[in-house]
Formats: sequence, structure tokens, C-alpha cells
Amino acid sequence: AAGVIQSPRHLIKEKRETATLKCYPIPRHDTVYWYQQGPGQDPQFLISFYEKMQSDKGSIPDRFSAQQFSDYHSELNMSSLELGDSALYFCASSLGHRNQPQHFGDGTRLSIL
Amino acid sequence: GIQVEQSPPDLILQEGANSTLRCNFSDSVNNLQWFHQNPWGQLINLFYIPSGTKQNGRLSATTVATERYSLLYISSSQTTDSGVYFCDEGKSTFGDGTTLTVKP
Repeated sequence: AAGVIQSPRHLIKEKRETATLKCYPIPRHDTVYWYQQGPGQDPQFLISFYEKMQSDKGSIPDRFSAQQFSDYHSELNMSSLELGDSALYFCASSLGHRNQPQHFGDGTRLSIL
Repeated sequence: GIQVEQSPPDLILQEGANSTLRCNFSDSVNNLQWFHQNPWGQLINLFYIPSGTKQNGRLSATTVATERYSLLYISSSQTTDSGVYFCDEGKSTFGDGTTLTVKP
């Protein structure tokens, strides 16, 4: 069965650069979630979208923005990157945005040099 | 927001042993999920279990929503069960996880 696809799998950037992470949800899933997992930390919710509209907002820094497109894929844009942004970024998708199981992608590992 | 507390924080087992992981919530939950993060970092959804009991092979989970807790049972543990087990109450708040190490 098709799963959540994230790209790239790995990304290396330098401080103050920008990065864009992409997430392709499971077909027919209309909700996308973004999480950040720092080294040794549990996943922290950043933001979610339902039907192309922001549905919930977590601890997403102002330097980050995200959107969900008409084909339901989502992109997380990160600017002015800092060393502390080095983390594993997960995307999850679900069918419906309330009381539905989330299915995770394999994550994008972002390293800031 | 809802507080999620997982116990134990760490667990070391010998292969073949059984274990129970617990997740407590500070408020009622409608959307409880258990995840396993393997040593390679992949997050796998184990159970979506807002209430009741479900079983999948050697794993089973029970959620008692009225008492605000959920349990994950692992029987006949294998080394591939090692990793971190998270519960998520569905409003995007993960617990701190239980780190399970299964020794051969």
C-alpha cells in the first residue's frame, strides 16, 4: 500500500540558509501534519493542514512556514536556518483531521552545519 | 493542553519476556495512538485505539478512556521490538516515550 512520501530523505544546509521539505500524503488523505524531532527528543508538533487550510498550530517558529497544495501535498519552508533546527522532520497524513489515525513518512533528516 | 505521561521511561528485557507499557493522560482523550520508533528512526503506527482492546500478533493495546490511560502489551519480545514507544493522544501531543531494549 502507498505510504507517506517525504523528500528529501537527508538535507545538509548551512546557517542562515533556507530549506524546503516536501510531503506527499497517502492517496485520498486530506490532512497533513508536520513534526520536528530533535536528537534524543520526542516528536514535537509543528503545524497541520486539513483540506488545504491550516487546522492546528503547534510550536512552529516564525522562521518556518508551510502550506498544503491543491493535490494535498505539503511543503515546509524553513528560513534563516539555525544550528538548533537540526532534527528529523516527520510528516504524517490522515483521512479527516479529527479522531483519525496518523500515518507517518520516514522523515527528512536536516543537518545544519 | 493535555499532559501525557508514559511509564516506564526505560525498559530492558531478555528476548522472550513480556512487558506492559503505560500511558496516562491528564484529561479525556478521543484519539489515542501507539507508535514504535525503531532504531533507524522510522515511526510506525501500531494501534489507533481510542477505547477498548485491539490485538495484532504479539502486540495488544487497551485503552480505558474513562480512567484516562492506555496500556501496550508486548508478548514474547524480540530484539526487533527494541526502540522507543510513544503514545499520542491525538491532539498532536506525544508522550516522552518508553525506550525498550530487548537483549538476545
